[in-house]
Amino acid sequence: QITLKESGPTLVKPTQTLTLTCTFSGFSLSTSGMGVGWIRQPPGKALEWLAVIYWDDHKRYSPSLKSRLTITKDTSKNQVVLTMTNIDPVDTATYYCAHSGDRGFDYWGQGTLATVSS
Amino acid sequence: QSVLTQPPSASGTPGQRVSISCSGSSSNIGNNNVYWYQQLPGTAPKLLIYRNNQRPSGVPDRFSGSRSGTSASLAISGLRSEDEADYYCASWDDSLSGWVFGGGTKVTVL
Repeated sequence: QITLKESGPTLVKPTQTLTLTCTFSGFSLSTSGMGVGWIRQPPGKALEWLAVIYWDDHKRYSPSLKSRLTITKDTSKNQVVLTMTNIDPVDTATYYCAHSGDRGFDYWGQGTLATVSS
Repeated sequence: QSVLTQPPSASGTPGQRVSISCSGSSSNIGNNNVYWYQQLPGTAPKLLIYRNNQRPSGVPDRFSGSRSGTSASLAISGLRSEDEADYYCASWDDSLSGWVFGGGTKVTVL
Protein backbone atom coordinates (compact mmCIF):
# COMPACT_ATOMS: atom_id res chain seq x y z
CA GLN A 1 0.00 0.00 0.00
CA ILE A 2 1.53 3.26 -1.15
CA THR A 3 1.11 6.33 1.03
CA LEU A 4 2.67 9.78 0.90
CA LYS A 5 2.54 12.67 3.32
CA GLU A 6 3.74 16.22 2.88
CA SER A 7 5.16 18.37 5.64
CA GLY A 8 6.42 21.91 5.82
CA PRO A 9 5.76 25.36 7.25
CA THR A 10 2.22 26.69 7.13
CA LEU A 11 3.35 30.33 7.03
CA VAL A 12 6.31 31.68 5.10
CA LYS A 13 7.50 35.27 4.74
CA PRO A 14 8.08 36.77 1.27
CA THR A 15 11.62 36.33 -0.13
CA GLN A 16 12.26 33.35 2.17
CA THR A 17 12.91 29.79 1.01
CA LEU A 18 10.14 27.22 1.30
CA THR A 19 11.24 23.69 2.14
CA LEU A 20 8.74 20.86 1.76
CA THR A 21 9.27 17.22 2.65
CA CYS A 22 7.42 14.25 1.22
CA THR A 23 7.66 11.11 3.35
CA PHE A 24 6.42 7.98 1.65
CA SER A 25 5.97 4.27 2.20
CA GLY A 26 5.01 1.26 0.13
CA PHE A 27 7.67 1.67 -2.53
CA SER A 28 11.35 2.44 -2.85
CA LEU A 29 12.87 5.24 -4.86
CA SER A 30 15.76 2.95 -5.64
CA THR A 31 13.45 0.71 -7.69
CA SER A 32 13.59 1.15 -11.44
CA GLY A 33 10.69 3.18 -12.82
CA MET A 34 9.73 4.86 -9.56
CA GLY A 35 9.46 8.61 -9.14
CA VAL A 36 7.97 11.28 -6.89
CA GLY A 37 6.54 14.53 -8.14
CA TRP A 38 5.31 17.78 -6.65
CA ILE A 39 2.15 19.53 -7.79
CA ARG A 40 0.61 22.64 -6.26
CA GLN A 41 -2.83 24.22 -6.26
CA PRO A 42 -3.46 27.86 -5.31
CA PRO A 43 -6.76 28.36 -3.48
CA GLY A 44 -9.63 27.98 -5.92
CA LYS A 45 -7.31 27.42 -8.88
CA ALA A 46 -6.01 24.60 -11.04
CA LEU A 47 -3.28 22.06 -10.46
CA GLU A 48 0.24 23.07 -11.51
CA TRP A 49 3.09 20.56 -11.86
CA LEU A 50 6.36 21.69 -10.27
CA ALA A 51 9.00 18.96 -10.38
CA VAL A 52 9.65 15.23 -10.45
CA ILE A 53 12.60 13.06 -9.40
CA TYR A 54 13.20 9.48 -10.53
CA TRP A 55 14.90 6.39 -9.12
CA ASP A 56 18.04 7.13 -11.12
CA ASP A 57 18.19 10.71 -9.74
CA HIS A 58 16.98 12.13 -13.04
CA LYS A 59 15.10 15.38 -12.36
CA ARG A 60 12.67 17.51 -14.32
CA TYR A 61 11.37 20.98 -13.41
CA SER A 62 8.58 23.23 -14.58
CA PRO A 63 10.27 25.60 -17.04
CA SER A 64 8.56 28.63 -15.53
CA LEU A 65 9.85 27.84 -12.01
CA LYS A 66 13.07 25.99 -12.76
CA SER A 67 15.36 28.74 -11.49
CA ARG A 68 13.70 28.66 -8.07
CA LEU A 69 13.22 24.93 -7.51
CA THR A 70 15.44 22.14 -6.28
CA ILE A 71 14.24 18.56 -5.77
CA THR A 72 16.30 15.94 -3.96
CA LYS A 73 15.76 12.46 -2.58
CA ASP A 74 16.96 10.52 0.43
CA THR A 75 16.35 6.90 -0.44
CA SER A 76 17.34 5.63 3.00
CA LYS A 77 14.72 7.83 4.66
CA ASN A 78 12.05 7.38 1.96
CA GLN A 79 11.85 11.14 1.58
CA VAL A 80 11.82 13.67 -1.22
CA VAL A 81 12.50 17.33 -0.51
CA LEU A 82 11.46 20.30 -2.63
CA THR A 83 12.88 23.75 -2.01
CA MET A 84 11.53 26.91 -3.58
CA THR A 85 13.51 30.11 -3.23
CA ASN A 86 12.43 33.75 -3.19
CA ILE A 87 8.88 32.97 -2.13
CA ASP A 88 6.09 35.40 -3.09
CA PRO A 89 2.43 35.66 -2.03
CA VAL A 90 1.42 34.16 -5.40
CA ASP A 91 3.13 30.97 -4.24
CA THR A 92 0.43 30.50 -1.60
CA ALA A 93 -0.98 27.08 -2.39
CA THR A 94 -1.62 23.55 -1.26
CA TYR A 95 1.44 21.53 -2.20
CA TYR A 96 0.98 17.84 -3.04
CA CYS A 97 3.54 15.14 -3.58
CA ALA A 98 2.59 12.12 -5.64
CA HIS A 99 4.03 8.75 -6.65
CA SER A 100 5.01 8.57 -10.31
CA GLY A 101 5.03 5.21 -12.01
CA ASP A 102 3.74 3.63 -15.19
CA ARG A 103 0.28 5.01 -14.44
CA GLY A 104 1.29 8.65 -14.08
CA PHE A 105 0.71 10.25 -10.68
CA ASP A 106 -1.27 7.40 -9.22
CA TYR A 107 -1.01 8.02 -5.48
CA TRP A 108 -1.20 11.45 -3.87
CA GLY A 109 -0.55 12.81 -0.43
CA GLN A 110 -3.18 14.81 1.41
CA GLY A 111 -1.40 18.08 0.66
CA THR A 112 0.03 20.83 2.83
CA LEU A 113 -1.08 24.45 2.67
CA ALA A 114 1.71 26.99 2.61
CA THR A 115 0.67 30.62 3.01
CA VAL A 116 3.07 33.37 2.03
CA SER A 117 2.55 36.55 4.00
CA SER A 118 4.54 39.08 5.92
CA GLN B 1 -3.30 29.94 -18.83
CA SER B 2 -3.08 26.13 -18.85
CA VAL B 3 -1.34 24.27 -21.66
CA LEU B 4 -4.26 21.84 -21.88
CA THR B 5 -7.67 23.42 -22.44
CA GLN B 6 -10.79 22.20 -20.63
CA PRO B 7 -14.25 23.74 -20.37
CA PRO B 8 -14.64 25.37 -16.95
CA SER B 9 -17.91 23.65 -16.20
CA ALA B 10 -20.23 20.83 -17.18
CA SER B 11 -23.48 19.64 -15.72
CA GLY B 12 -26.18 17.02 -15.99
CA THR B 13 -29.04 15.43 -14.16
CA PRO B 14 -28.73 12.10 -12.36
CA GLY B 15 -28.46 9.26 -14.82
CA GLN B 16 -27.33 11.44 -17.72
CA ARG B 17 -24.06 11.18 -19.62
CA VAL B 18 -21.58 14.02 -19.32
CA SER B 19 -18.47 14.46 -21.46
CA ILE B 20 -15.45 16.66 -20.72
CA SER B 21 -12.98 17.63 -23.42
CA CYS B 22 -9.24 18.27 -23.08
CA SER B 23 -7.49 19.96 -25.97
CA GLY B 24 -3.73 20.00 -26.40
CA SER B 25 -1.11 19.88 -29.12
CA SER B 26 1.25 17.53 -30.93
CA SER B 27 3.87 17.95 -28.18
CA ASN B 28 1.60 16.64 -25.45
CA ILE B 29 -1.67 14.79 -26.11
CA GLY B 30 -0.76 14.19 -29.74
CA ASN B 31 2.31 12.18 -28.75
CA ASN B 32 1.79 11.09 -25.14
CA ASN B 33 -0.73 9.43 -22.89
CA VAL B 34 -3.52 11.31 -21.17
CA TYR B 35 -4.43 10.99 -17.53
CA TRP B 36 -7.58 12.13 -15.74
CA TYR B 37 -7.94 13.07 -12.10
CA GLN B 38 -11.01 13.57 -9.94
CA GLN B 39 -10.84 16.05 -7.08
CA LEU B 40 -13.73 15.95 -4.65
CA PRO B 41 -14.27 19.12 -2.59
CA GLY B 42 -11.57 19.59 0.02
CA THR B 43 -9.62 16.48 -0.94
CA ALA B 44 -6.50 15.55 -2.89
CA PRO B 45 -6.79 14.58 -6.56
CA LYS B 46 -7.39 10.93 -7.31
CA LEU B 47 -6.31 9.07 -10.44
CA LEU B 48 -9.38 8.25 -12.51
CA ILE B 49 -8.02 7.25 -15.94
CA TYR B 50 -4.46 6.42 -17.00
CA ARG B 51 -2.92 5.76 -20.41
CA ASN B 52 -5.90 7.39 -22.17
CA ASN B 53 -8.56 4.84 -21.33
CA GLN B 54 -7.44 2.57 -18.48
CA ARG B 55 -9.25 2.55 -15.15
CA PRO B 56 -7.44 1.80 -11.88
CA SER B 57 -9.08 -0.87 -9.79
CA GLY B 58 -11.96 0.56 -7.81
CA VAL B 59 -12.94 3.19 -10.37
CA PRO B 60 -16.46 2.48 -11.64
CA ASP B 61 -16.85 1.62 -15.32
CA ARG B 62 -19.19 4.62 -15.57
CA PHE B 63 -15.98 6.57 -16.15
CA SER B 64 -14.30 6.18 -19.53
CA GLY B 65 -11.55 7.99 -21.38
CA SER B 66 -10.56 8.36 -25.00
CA ARG B 67 -7.92 10.13 -27.06
CA SER B 68 -7.98 11.21 -30.69
CA GLY B 69 -5.28 13.31 -32.31
CA THR B 70 -4.45 16.22 -30.03
CA SER B 71 -7.62 15.95 -27.95
CA ALA B 72 -8.97 13.69 -25.26
CA SER B 73 -12.23 13.30 -23.45
CA LEU B 74 -13.63 11.90 -20.25
CA ALA B 75 -17.16 10.56 -20.19
CA ILE B 76 -19.26 9.93 -17.13
CA SER B 77 -22.32 7.83 -17.78
CA GLY B 78 -25.15 7.29 -15.32
CA LEU B 79 -24.24 10.51 -13.52
CA ARG B 80 -24.53 10.35 -9.74
CA SER B 81 -24.53 13.03 -7.05
CA GLU B 82 -21.19 11.79 -5.74
CA ASP B 83 -19.63 12.61 -9.12
CA GLU B 84 -19.80 16.32 -8.30
CA ALA B 85 -16.14 17.27 -8.38
CA ASP B 86 -13.41 18.99 -10.33
CA TYR B 87 -11.84 16.94 -13.12
CA TYR B 88 -8.37 17.54 -14.53
CA CYS B 89 -6.60 16.12 -17.56
CA ALA B 90 -2.81 15.82 -17.71
CA SER B 91 -0.13 14.73 -20.15
CA TRP B 92 3.62 14.84 -20.63
CA ASP B 93 4.80 17.63 -22.89
CA ASP B 94 7.86 16.86 -25.02
CA SER B 95 8.60 20.52 -25.78
CA LEU B 96 8.47 21.57 -22.13
CA SER B 97 10.01 18.30 -20.89
CA GLY B 98 7.46 18.28 -18.11
CA TRP B 99 3.94 17.48 -17.09
CA VAL B 100 1.07 19.76 -18.05
CA PHE B 101 -2.41 19.94 -16.58
CA GLY B 102 -5.69 21.28 -17.84
CA GLY B 103 -7.45 24.13 -16.10
CA GLY B 104 -10.02 21.78 -14.63
CA THR B 105 -13.74 21.23 -15.22
CA LYS B 106 -16.27 21.53 -12.44
CA VAL B 107 -19.03 18.96 -12.84
CA THR B 108 -22.36 19.80 -11.24
CA VAL B 109 -25.16 17.31 -10.80
CA LEU B 110 -28.43 19.21 -11.15
